[in-house]
Amino acid sequence: RKEVEQDPGPFNVPEGATVAFNCTYSNSASQSFFWYRQDCRKEPKLLMSVYSSGNEDGRFTAQLNRASQYISLLIRDSKLSDSATYLCVVNKDYKLSFGAGTTVTVRA
Amino acid sequence: DVKVTQSSRYLVKRTGEKVFLECVQDMDHENMFWYRQDPGLGLRLIYFSYDVKMKEKGDIPEGYSVSREKKERFSLILESASTNQTSMYLCASSFDRPSPLHFGNGTRLTVT
Repeated sequence: RKEVEQDPGPFNVPEGATVAFNCTYSNSASQSFFWYRQDCRKEPKLLMSVYSSGNEDGRFTAQLNRASQYISLLIRDSKLSDSATYLCVVNKDYKLSFGAGTTVTVRA
Repeated sequence: DVKVTQSSRYLVKRTGEKVFLECVQDMDHENMFWYRQDPGLGLRLIYFSYDVKMKEKGDIPEGYSVSREKKERFSLILESASTNQTSMYLCASSFDRPSPLHFGNGTRLTVT
């Protein structure tokens, strides 16, 4: 079983829509969680950390569900510029495990 | 803004060649990492370093070695390139562990 699993998508959504997707992790002792964004043919960049209480950054909301071992990312009012692959990253004891990514395509 | 620079964007090498991938960061970060990224597999850690002249194996170190002689520079070496090492290689650095990681823009290596 992979340590971090993501639905690869693609999620094709119109501008202005809301899109949400999850990431599951296998190790219940995982300590911290992140979402990275990777544009086509570019390097990954940190989008946001995921806190136990859930957190928002503008149109982006991240949630953590430790009981079910998943994290989620919700994007409201999607923009064309949100088209990217979103990587879920899980940390345990300073070892980062990356998911393979969920691709989101926002269409005009 | 942190800058992580990888020496080559694209490389084509022949099987059996020795390959050097160079990475330089300009933010005095202690930690540096080499990952490879393959479709459907995500990023996998090859080697990392938390200090000059220090290195530790990641999840897939076989066929690779690294060198960190100076704090700002972390080199990945393929001793004898093989076709299964065709991949996108990403260097990263960080001030703290485990995150945030600052990535270079990648080297796409093709071994023929």
